[in-house]
Order: sequence, then C-alpha cells, then structure tokens
Amino acid sequence: EPEVTQTPSHQVTQMGQEVILRCVPISNHLYFYWYRQILGQKVEFLVSFYNNEISEKSEIFDDQFSVERPDGSNFTLKIRSTKLEDSAMYFCASFKEGGNQPQHFGDGTRLSIL
Amino acid sequence: RKEVEQDPGPFNVPEGATVAFNCTYSNSASQSFFWYRQDCRKEPKLLMSVYSSGNEDGRFTAQLNRASQYISLLIRDSKLSDSATYLCVVNGAGGSYIPTFGRGTSLIVHP
Repeated sequence: EPEVTQTPSHQVTQMGQEVILRCVPISNHLYFYWYRQILGQKVEFLVSFYNNEISEKSEIFDDQFSVERPDGSNFTLKIRSTKLEDSAMYFCASFKEGGNQPQHFGDGTRLSIL
Repeated sequence: RKEVEQDPGPFNVPEGATVAFNCTYSNSASQSFFWYRQDCRKEPKLLMSVYSSGNEDGRFTAQLNRASQYISLLIRDSKLSDSATYLCVVNGAGGSYIPTFGRGTSLIVHP
C-alpha cells in the first residue's frame, strides 16, 4: 500500500535556526496537509495545500512558516527562526480528493529545538 | 466550547472486556467522521470511518448520532494490542473541510 513518507525522522536544531521538513505524499493524491502535535497534546492543523497553493491555514501558521511543493513529489514545511515552543511532532498527510475522505499520515518528524 | 471533545481517560480494562468511547462535536454541519488510533510517539492511523447507519469492522463498531452530535466507538473482546490512544476526527467541525482532532482517549488493556 502506498505511503506518505517524511524525512528526517528526528531533527535537532538550535533555537533561531531554520529547518525544512520534507514529505513525499502518495503519488496520485491532490491535497496535502501539515499538522503539529506537541508532546501530550492533540494534533493541530497547520496548513492545507491544493493546486500549488495554500488553501487554508490555522492561526499557528504565521509568517514563521511556509510551505512549498518544489517539484512533482516533495512537499516541504519550512520553519524560520525556530523557537523552543516549536518542538513537536510534525505530521504530513495527503488525500486523493477533497471533502469527506480520511487522510493518510506520514510517520512524522520529531523536531527538537535546543 | 471545544469543537471536538473526548474523555481523555485512561480507560483501564482487562483483556476480553468490552469498552466504549464517545466523542462530541459542536458544529452540526460537520460532514464526516473518523476514528484514528495513535500509538505513543507515532502517527495517527485510520481505524475506521463512521457512517450514518453505523458500521462494524471485526471487533470494532462505530456509530454516529447526528441529533445529539456524537460518535462512538465500541471495542469488543479487547486485546493487549488495542492499548493506544483513540482519536476522534471530524471534518467540517470548524466550518471547513479541515479535519479537527479530539485530544484522544487513552485505552490500557491489561492481562
């Protein structure tokens, strides 16, 4: 079964540095998402991406964050000037169609800001 | 009011027990509903979609009550491997197709 893949699995970065988290969605999927889960808390929506542009974003997704689909396969989340509170699991998800379909999640990147 | 609400538990049950979780949602226009399972420090994995008529998958039964705005998950004959956090996910809870996650209900199945 096709999977969403994410790299790296664990990223350790100094506060203030920039990080790029990478995702390869399932190949025939059209909708891509980033979520964040701080340890012990719920999964929080960050941003959705469709047709090469952001379709929705949450309050968390401020100017510090950006997303890109630089080629036909990768979907990246960039976090500029990282803060301690950015430490979390970041999950990428994709699905084929909009509306009422379940999403397929990657296995996440654990981001640790020191 | 929280958009999607779950009892965090933990529910601590012996093997073989039947256990049920509920999840309430605030937006009556919510369109689709799912249960995901999440193991510690792992990604959410789809357990089952929840259909209006209710649906069953082996030991798992999901139900939707639109009038009262809740969904439920019933697990029969619990196994040790069922120990996990069960996430309720509602599409359209916030007025869009964005999935909204509940905080999850922790289940611990003991021998």
